[in-house]
Amino acid sequence: EAGVTQFPSHSVIEKGQTVTLRCDPISGHDNLYWYRRVMGKEIKFLLHFVKESKQDESGMPNNRFLAERTGGTYSTLKVQPAELEDSGVYFCASSQEQNTGELFFGEGSRLTVL
Amino acid sequence: AQSVTQLGSHVSVSEGALVLLRCNYSSSVPPYLFWYVQYPNQGLQLLLKYTTGATLVKGINGFEAEFKKSETSFHLTKPSAHMSDAAEYFCAVRRAGNNRKLIWGLGTSLAVNP
Repeated sequence: EAGVTQFPSHSVIEKGQTVTLRCDPISGHDNLYWYRRVMGKEIKFLLHFVKESKQDESGMPNNRFLAERTGGTYSTLKVQPAELEDSGVYFCASSQEQNTGELFFGEGSRLTVL
Repeated sequence: AQSVTQLGSHVSVSEGALVLLRCNYSSSVPPYLFWYVQYPNQGLQLLLKYTTGATLVKGINGFEAEFKKSETSFHLTKPSAHMSDAAEYFCAVRRAGNNRKLIWGLGTSLAVNP
């Protein structure tokens, strides 16, 4: 069974440009999460989807970030326009609908904004 | 509010020596506690978790952790380090219930010397 896959693994863009990160969760996992790790800081929650609905988006930094999960399958996270402080590793995770269910993480997408 | 403190951003041990990675948390409600590991060029992988029941939890690759409520700690141990244990280790906490938002520590990078 395929795990959580993320694309691209690394993206280098200039300030002001747009980047879209994609996450394909494990098939059948209704829950999808985005987390971010900025260098030197802890991993932080961005948002949580249950199927196509945003369950919790309290961690989204600002309105330059837009996450979607059309059809409840894969998800995209768009940053527009990107700023220097957006650099970091963006992790996606998915889980089944269980209270203590394990989160399965992708390898992360490293974003570098120059 | 919940928070996680991992003492020591870098820990170095000799192969065969005891591994002890420290994690303290703060939570106003009974927490669920997790240790994740990230090997080079891989995603985050669950090592072990505590939800309820036995406070000594065994995980993969010979790791274990003990939930000590009185000390608000969840330290990770392994009796004998192996070279393959070199990785970054993250402690995380979340509230019991359907809110799956994880609060993370800064991570501890473990080096294993031959």
